[in-house]
Amino acid sequence: KNEVEQSPQNLTAQEGEFITINCSYSVGISALHWLQQHPGGGIVSLFMLSSGKKKHGRLIATINIQEKHSSLHITASHPRDSAVYICAVYGDKLIFGTGTRLQVFP
Amino acid sequence: DTAVSQTPKYLVTQMGNDKSIKCEQNLGHDTMYWYKQDSKKFLKIMFSYNNKELIINETVPNRFSPKSPDKAHLNLHINSLELGDSAVYFCASSGTPNQPQHFGDGTRLSIL
Repeated sequence: KNEVEQSPQNLTAQEGEFITINCSYSVGISALHWLQQHPGGGIVSLFMLSSGKKKHGRLIATINIQEKHSSLHITASHPRDSAVYICAVYGDKLIFGTGTRLQVFP
Repeated sequence: DTAVSQTPKYLVTQMGNDKSIKCEQNLGHDTMYWYKQDSKKFLKIMFSYNNKELIINETVPNRFSPKSPDKAHLNLHINSLELGDSAVYFCASSGTPNQPQHFGDGTRLSIL
């Protein structure tokens, strides 16, 4: 079992839908990082959080340290949100989830 | 004004060759990283340097050697390339080890 699990692995949505991507981990961490990898391959940092909730535009990230769980939400999804979303945890070492591939159709 | 730049973008070479990938960041960050993304798109950290000192060195063959001449540069040298080294290699940097990372565009390495 991976130390960082993401669900779902693949997700399709219609434009405008509310999206939730989950990340669960089994190790103690000091922070969690959400990344977005575009179809062209480029990787962008979305959020770094160690508690609570952060919001940037239509993206919201939450983390529950006690439950070892984080969620990434996208409100009013758009085709340009189509990408792979990756969570990474900072514990004794940096561990990446396997990613969630999101496709948003018009 | 690219923040993290890697060169080359594509590298096609034969098995057994030695090659280098260069990475430079102009963000004034202290920490730099090398990642390997395999064909299944799984990202794995290889090395991390903080202020030119090696702080993360995951289980990577000795054929891979990072070199950090200064805080703004972290180059990756690979000796005796093997077919399994084919992947996309990403460089990244962050202000400190626990801060958000900025990624380069990746170097696609293909071994023939």
